[in-house]
Amino acid sequence: NAGVTQTPKFQVLKTGQSMTLQCAQDMNHNSMYWYRQDPGMGLRLIYYSASEGTTDKGEVPNGYNVSRLNKREFSLRLESAAPSQTSVYFCRIDRGDYEQYFGPGTRLTVT
Amino acid sequence: GQQLNQSPQSMFIQEGEDVSMNCTSSSIFNTWLWYKQDPGEGPVLLIALYKAGELTSNGRLTAQFGITRKDSFLNISASIPSDVGIYFCAGRSGSRLTFGEGTQLTVNP
Repeated sequence: NAGVTQTPKFQVLKTGQSMTLQCAQDMNHNSMYWYRQDPGMGLRLIYYSASEGTTDKGEVPNGYNVSRLNKREFSLRLESAAPSQTSVYFCRIDRGDYEQYFGPGTRLTVT
Repeated sequence: GQQLNQSPQSMFIQEGEDVSMNCTSSSIFNTWLWYKQDPGEGPVLLIALYKAGELTSNGRLTAQFGITRKDSFLNISASIPSDVGIYFCAGRSGSRLTFGEGTQLTVNP
């Protein structure tokens, strides 16, 4: 997880509340990704950003928005949280196969 | 969309045993990757494979890129307790990765 930080580490929300998950890197990688991890389903791509100022949808973008604030930061926003969004969220940075790292994850529970 | 099927879903083995797991895809990938995830952590890359038929080792781990480019295999020899975790395969297509569902490995001392 070197060089990739995620905040918060844990969060409990009530249905309908909003929140922003933050990802920051100090490795100057262009590409950043948001995934969610659910038991038995692997890691599914929510959104990604190939470079500063660009974002694209992944497999499961519904209910989420993202913002690539600058090269260092890529945030994921839940405008109106739903129980189906209970998951572990991971940020990943990428500059080639052996230069890619995941953050430590954010564990989100929506009640 | 592309899908990866990873098997087995879970394995319970004794320390010292060898382990095999595999991934199959409905599509061709140019790169296959294998990761390990320790409890409470993000996945960490173990091995990357780039050519059909390629066999690559990293210590006690050996991975192979299938000839058809639609599958990949990971073997762990002489397992030890710290091998416990979830192992993921992933196929790379351009800048995007598609992940398998993961294999949960438990090693009994």
